[in-house]
Amino acid sequence: EDQVTQSPEALRLQEGESSSLNCSYTVSGLRGLFWYRQDPGKGPEFLFTLYSAGEEKEKERLKATLTKKESFLHITAPKPEDSATYLCAGENSGYSTLTFGKGTMLLVSP
Amino acid sequence: GAGVSQSPSNKVTEKGKDVELRCDPISGHTALYWYRQRLGQGLEFLIYFQGNSAPDKSGLPSDRFSAERTGESVSTLTIQRTQQEDSAVYLCASSLGQRGYNEQFFGPGTRLTVL
Repeated sequence: EDQVTQSPEALRLQEGESSSLNCSYTVSGLRGLFWYRQDPGKGPEFLFTLYSAGEEKEKERLKATLTKKESFLHITAPKPEDSATYLCAGENSGYSTLTFGKGTMLLVSP
Repeated sequence: GAGVSQSPSNKVTEKGKDVELRCDPISGHTALYWYRQRLGQGLEFLIYFQGNSAPDKSGLPSDRFSAERTGESVSTLTIQRTQQEDSAVYLCASSLGQRGYNEQFFGPGTRLTVL
């Protein structure tokens, strides 16, 4: 059974304090690893897709990386507006559906 | 707007009543998905439509849940004889449905409360 595990469950940072969120997965023939941001009361917002180990993608203060077993979302010099729940999801090679982790709730204090 | 829309945004119902939730996907997206998100939990896959293929219903939790989609447009998720454990946010997403372009774009969700 495909599984996606995210850690930590919650993370509190001071503005400017860089850190990383972890997503470990056991997904059969991983086709893609997706990162989403979800603000309270809203649907998830797409951030990145990573397709192969070694791949990296960046967007503003966020950088996502992928290895054969896990993905990291690095947050550099975060700002309070980066506060949200970050979700990762894996796509199985045999299906087009995604298996989601439970997310990491990030709070950035000014 | 060009995004996925869902209605209603909130629904409060009594236990035992039926509810219908609606999703309008992004125009041109052939794939449509329904998920359930319970408080403090991850997204739980319910059902997936791809073009004219038979839907993947493997995530539906019971036969009280059903969904339909008309062509490549609107989808309706129906929950019959609602139970309190059905209370959750129901999210709809759509994608191009093509290999390598399967980013899913989500609607704002419908918050269902069963009293």
